[in-house]
Amino acid sequence: GAGVSQSPSNKVTEKGKDVELRCDPISGHTALYWYRQSLGQGLEFLIYFQGNSAPDKSGLPSDRFSAERTGGSVSTLTIQRTQQEDSAVYLCASSLDSGGYTQYFGPGTRLTVL
Amino acid sequence: AQTVTQSQPEMSVQEAETVTLSCTYDTSESDYYLFWYKQPPSRQMILVIRQEAYKQQNATENRFSVNFQKAAKSFSLKISDSQLGDAAMYFCAYRSYNQGGKLIFGQGTELSVKP
Repeated sequence: GAGVSQSPSNKVTEKGKDVELRCDPISGHTALYWYRQSLGQGLEFLIYFQGNSAPDKSGLPSDRFSAERTGGSVSTLTIQRTQQEDSAVYLCASSLDSGGYTQYFGPGTRLTVL
Repeated sequence: AQTVTQSQPEMSVQEAETVTLSCTYDTSESDYYLFWYKQPPSRQMILVIRQEAYKQQNATENRFSVNFQKAAKSFSLKISDSQLGDAAMYFCAYRSYNQGGKLIFGQGTELSVKP
């Protein structure tokens, strides 16, 4: 079956603009995660959704970052007023649930803020 | 808070030889999961192997095996009969058993395979 997909693959934006990154999880997966991979910070957790429960937002670096998951499927990560330090690869992953199941990753979105 | 440390930024192995990547972690929990993920230049993270902390037996997946030392909080990955396709960045990751599903990653080890 289809894996996790993310769009766009690459995004170049100007400082101060808002961006939206999209993630389509594997069908039937109730848990969805966002991570950020940057040269300076490595791979860091941002947020995760599990079914209809309140998301765990503990990894979001600032209030400029937000995410939503509509209908328990597609998720959008929004970064407002982008800064140069937001430049990174944003990875999405999904799993059957947030228990012990393996997380499957998408190919990521490379964000470049000029 | 849990932390994961990979002390080898880069490793190199000759094709068909064996290489071991190191990973240590720090946690006060007794139940957790450990993973090794591979990230080739395509950026797609691929699960290599996983280990449940309550299992004493080391996990194996074909040419990949781990040496899990719970008391020492060590979780190394051994790749046998290395192939050119094994060249990638390898990440060790920790996941709490009952505090949500987020993964905590190490800094990564870049593995090159020489023909």
